[in-house]
Amino acid sequence: SQQGEEDPQALSIQEGENATMNCSYKTSINNLQWYRQNSGRGLVHLILIRSNEREKHSGRLRVTLDTSKKSSSLLITASRAADTASYFCAPDVGRDDKIIFGKGTRLHILP
Amino acid sequence: KAGVTQTPRYLIKTRGQQVTLSCSPISGHRSVSWYQQTPGQGLQFLFEYFSETQRNKGNFPGRFSGRQFSNSRSEMNVSTLELGDSALYLCASSFNSGANVLTFGAGSRLTVL
Repeated sequence: SQQGEEDPQALSIQEGENATMNCSYKTSINNLQWYRQNSGRGLVHLILIRSNEREKHSGRLRVTLDTSKKSSSLLITASRAADTASYFCAPDVGRDDKIIFGKGTRLHILP
Repeated sequence: KAGVTQTPRYLIKTRGQQVTLSCSPISGHRSVSWYQQTPGQGLQFLFEYFSETQRNKGNFPGRFSGRQFSNSRSEMNVSTLELGDSALYLCASSFNSGANVLTFGAGSRLTVL
Protein backbone atom coordinates (compact mmCIF):
# COMPACT_ATOMS: atom_id res chain seq x y z
CA SER A 1 0.00 0.00 0.00
CA GLN A 2 1.07 3.57 -0.26
CA GLN A 3 -0.18 6.92 0.83
CA GLY A 4 -0.71 9.81 -1.52
CA GLU A 5 0.47 13.26 -0.59
CA GLU A 6 -1.93 16.03 -1.46
CA ASP A 7 -0.80 19.53 -2.22
CA PRO A 8 -1.61 22.21 -1.23
CA GLN A 9 -2.71 21.44 2.31
CA ALA A 10 -5.29 24.20 2.13
CA LEU A 11 -6.76 26.28 -0.66
CA SER A 12 -9.19 29.22 -0.62
CA ILE A 13 -10.72 30.52 -3.84
CA GLN A 14 -13.64 32.67 -4.88
CA GLU A 15 -16.85 31.02 -5.95
CA GLY A 16 -16.85 30.51 -9.68
CA GLU A 17 -13.09 30.08 -9.93
CA ASN A 18 -11.36 26.80 -10.73
CA ALA A 19 -9.62 24.79 -8.02
CA THR A 20 -6.66 22.54 -8.68
CA MET A 21 -5.14 20.14 -6.20
CA ASN A 22 -2.33 17.69 -6.70
CA CYS A 23 -1.37 14.26 -5.48
CA SER A 24 2.02 12.59 -5.54
CA TYR A 25 2.82 8.98 -4.79
CA LYS A 26 5.91 6.79 -4.77
CA THR A 27 5.41 3.40 -6.43
CA SER A 28 3.56 1.89 -9.37
CA ILE A 29 -0.18 1.84 -9.05
CA ASN A 30 -3.15 0.00 -10.46
CA ASN A 31 -5.42 3.02 -10.25
CA LEU A 32 -5.83 6.24 -8.32
CA GLN A 33 -9.00 7.43 -6.67
CA TRP A 34 -10.16 10.80 -5.42
CA TYR A 35 -12.54 11.23 -2.51
CA ARG A 36 -14.28 14.21 -0.92
CA GLN A 37 -15.15 14.65 2.75
CA ASN A 38 -17.51 17.27 4.02
CA SER A 39 -16.83 18.31 7.58
CA GLY A 40 -17.25 15.48 10.08
CA ARG A 41 -18.82 13.08 7.63
CA GLY A 42 -17.80 10.00 5.67
CA LEU A 43 -15.76 10.21 2.50
CA VAL A 44 -17.48 10.16 -0.86
CA HIS A 45 -15.86 8.63 -3.91
CA LEU A 46 -15.47 11.12 -6.74
CA ILE A 47 -13.56 9.49 -9.53
CA LEU A 48 -11.20 6.62 -10.34
CA ILE A 49 -8.53 6.80 -12.99
CA ARG A 50 -6.70 3.69 -14.12
CA SER A 51 -2.97 3.54 -14.66
CA ASN A 52 -3.39 3.32 -18.43
CA GLU A 53 -5.56 6.45 -18.56
CA ARG A 54 -4.21 9.97 -18.73
CA GLU A 55 -7.33 12.03 -18.19
CA LYS A 56 -10.86 11.50 -17.01
CA HIS A 57 -13.87 13.75 -16.66
CA SER A 58 -16.94 13.63 -14.47
CA GLY A 59 -19.21 16.67 -14.54
CA ARG A 60 -17.16 19.62 -13.29
CA LEU A 61 -14.28 17.34 -12.28
CA ARG A 62 -11.25 16.64 -14.39
CA VAL A 63 -8.55 14.26 -13.21
CA THR A 64 -5.20 13.74 -14.84
CA LEU A 65 -2.64 11.06 -14.16
CA ASP A 66 1.04 11.12 -15.06
CA THR A 67 2.52 7.77 -14.14
CA SER A 68 6.00 8.83 -15.23
CA LYS A 69 5.94 11.61 -12.64
CA LYS A 70 3.85 9.59 -10.22
CA SER A 71 1.39 12.40 -9.83
CA SER A 72 -2.25 13.21 -10.35
CA SER A 73 -4.27 16.38 -10.31
CA LEU A 74 -7.91 17.11 -9.61
CA LEU A 75 -9.47 20.16 -11.22
CA ILE A 76 -12.85 21.44 -10.11
CA THR A 77 -14.23 23.97 -12.53
CA ALA A 78 -16.69 26.77 -11.75
CA SER A 79 -16.48 26.12 -8.00
CA ARG A 80 -19.53 26.37 -5.78
CA ALA A 81 -19.99 26.83 -2.05
CA ALA A 82 -20.94 23.16 -1.81
CA ASP A 83 -17.46 22.20 -3.01
CA THR A 84 -16.05 23.33 0.34
CA ALA A 85 -14.61 20.11 1.71
CA SER A 86 -11.44 18.11 2.15
CA TYR A 87 -10.19 16.16 -0.84
CA PHE A 88 -8.12 13.01 -0.61
CA CYS A 89 -6.31 10.97 -3.20
CA ALA A 90 -5.86 7.24 -2.78
CA PRO A 91 -3.22 5.49 -4.89
CA ASP A 92 -4.21 1.85 -5.24
CA VAL A 93 -1.48 -0.70 -5.88
CA GLY A 94 -4.06 -3.47 -6.30
CA ARG A 95 -3.20 -7.02 -5.23
CA ASP A 96 -5.87 -6.81 -2.52
CA ASP A 97 -3.83 -4.24 -0.65
CA LYS A 98 -5.36 -1.72 1.67
CA ILE A 99 -6.22 1.82 0.64
CA ILE A 100 -4.72 4.49 2.84
CA PHE A 101 -5.21 8.22 2.77
CA GLY A 102 -3.00 11.23 3.25
CA LYS A 103 -3.79 14.48 5.01
CA GLY A 104 -5.89 15.79 2.15
CA THR A 105 -6.40 19.25 0.70
CA ARG A 106 -8.85 21.49 2.55
CA LEU A 107 -10.71 23.53 -0.04
CA HIS A 108 -12.68 26.59 1.03
CA ILE A 109 -14.89 28.38 -1.47
CA LEU A 110 -15.39 32.02 -0.61
CA PRO A 111 -18.73 33.68 -1.46
CA LYS B 1 -29.97 0.40 -2.30
CA ALA B 2 -29.15 1.16 1.31
CA GLY B 3 -25.74 2.68 2.05
CA VAL B 4 -23.21 1.75 4.68
CA THR B 5 -24.75 2.01 8.12
CA GLN B 6 -22.71 2.70 11.20
CA THR B 7 -24.02 2.55 14.73
CA PRO B 8 -23.99 4.27 17.08
CA ARG B 9 -23.44 7.66 15.48
CA TYR B 10 -22.29 9.31 18.69
CA LEU B 11 -21.12 7.94 21.99
CA ILE B 12 -19.36 9.10 25.10
CA LYS B 13 -17.23 6.80 27.22
CA THR B 14 -14.81 7.22 30.08
CA ARG B 15 -11.22 6.14 30.25
CA GLY B 16 -10.76 2.44 30.89
CA GLN B 17 -14.09 1.43 29.42
CA GLN B 18 -14.49 -0.53 26.23
CA VAL B 19 -16.59 0.20 23.17
CA THR B 20 -18.02 -1.75 20.27
CA LEU B 21 -18.91 -0.10 16.96
CA SER B 22 -20.97 -1.71 14.26
CA CYS B 23 -20.92 -1.43 10.50
CA SER B 24 -23.43 -2.87 8.03
CA PRO B 25 -22.01 -2.79 4.50
CA ILE B 26 -23.85 -2.36 1.26
CA SER B 27 -25.63 -5.54 0.28
CA GLY B 28 -23.29 -7.72 -1.74
CA HIS B 29 -20.13 -6.02 -0.54
CA ARG B 30 -17.76 -8.50 1.08
CA SER B 31 -14.98 -6.20 2.21
CA VAL B 32 -15.20 -3.88 5.19
CA SER B 33 -12.44 -1.47 6.15
CA TRP B 34 -12.17 0.65 9.28
CA TYR B 35 -10.45 4.01 9.65
CA GLN B 36 -9.79 6.33 12.56
CA GLN B 37 -9.83 10.05 11.91
CA THR B 38 -8.44 12.61 14.32
CA PRO B 39 -7.44 16.25 13.78
CA GLY B 40 -3.83 15.49 14.64
CA GLN B 41 -3.21 12.20 12.83
CA GLY B 42 -5.67 12.48 9.98
CA LEU B 43 -7.29 9.43 8.48
CA GLN B 44 -5.56 6.26 9.61
CA PHE B 45 -6.23 2.72 8.46
CA LEU B 46 -7.22 0.28 11.21
CA PHE B 47 -8.01 -3.00 9.50
CA GLU B 48 -9.87 -4.64 6.65
CA TYR B 49 -12.01 -7.75 6.68
CA PHE B 50 -12.96 -9.85 3.70
CA SER B 51 -15.11 -12.96 3.94
CA GLU B 52 -14.76 -13.02 7.73
CA THR B 53 -10.95 -12.90 7.57
CA GLN B 54 -8.71 -10.00 8.47
CA ARG B 55 -6.88 -9.26 5.21
CA ASN B 56 -5.00 -6.09 6.11
CA LYS B 57 -4.03 -4.46 9.34
CA GLY B 58 -2.85 -0.99 10.26
CA ASN B 59 -0.42 0.05 12.93
CA PHE B 60 -2.64 0.16 15.99
CA PRO B 61 -2.19 -1.49 19.39
CA GLY B 62 -3.91 -4.73 20.27
CA ARG B 63 -6.60 -2.81 22.15
CA PHE B 64 -8.16 -2.31 18.75
CA SER B 65 -9.79 -5.40 17.32
CA GLY B 66 -12.47 -6.30 14.88
CA ARG B 67 -14.40 -9.08 13.31
CA GLN B 68 -16.68 -9.78 10.43
CA PHE B 69 -19.73 -11.97 10.42
CA SER B 70 -21.00 -14.31 7.73
CA ASN B 71 -23.45 -11.62 6.52
CA SER B 72 -20.46 -9.25 6.05
CA ARG B 73 -21.48 -7.03 8.92
CA SER B 74 -18.47 -5.96 10.92
CA GLU B 75 -17.75 -4.79 14.42
CA MET B 76 -14.72 -3.15 15.90
CA ASN B 77 -13.89 -3.07 19.55
CA VAL B 78 -11.61 -0.81 21.52
CA SER B 79 -10.75 -1.93 25.03
CA THR B 80 -9.28 0.07 27.89
CA LEU B 81 -10.15 3.37 26.27
CA GLU B 82 -7.69 6.25 26.39
CA LEU B 83 -8.34 9.94 25.86
CA GLY B 84 -6.48 9.73 22.57
CA ASP B 85 -9.02 7.26 21.23
CA SER B 86 -11.50 10.10 20.85
CA ALA B 87 -12.06 10.20 17.11
CA LEU B 88 -14.39 9.72 14.21
CA TYR B 89 -14.39 6.04 13.29
CA LEU B 90 -15.26 5.42 9.68
CA CYS B 91 -16.27 2.19 8.07
CA ALA B 92 -16.15 1.59 4.33
CA SER B 93 -17.30 -1.33 2.26
CA SER B 94 -16.37 -2.53 -1.20
CA PHE B 95 -17.26 -5.45 -3.41
CA ASN B 96 -13.86 -7.08 -3.29
CA SER B 97 -10.88 -6.74 -1.06
CA GLY B 98 -8.68 -3.87 -2.14
CA ALA B 99 -8.52 -2.30 -5.59
CA ASN B 100 -12.12 -1.24 -5.39
CA VAL B 101 -14.13 1.86 -4.79
CA LEU B 102 -14.88 2.39 -1.11
CA THR B 103 -18.32 3.43 0.05
CA PHE B 104 -18.16 5.06 3.44
CA GLY B 105 -20.63 5.25 6.27
CA ALA B 106 -21.35 8.47 8.14
CA GLY B 107 -19.07 7.44 10.97
CA SER B 108 -19.25 6.88 14.71
CA ARG B 109 -17.95 9.79 16.75
CA LEU B 110 -16.41 8.56 19.99
CA THR B 111 -15.57 10.90 22.82
CA VAL B 112 -13.52 9.55 25.70
CA LEU B 113 -13.66 11.55 28.93
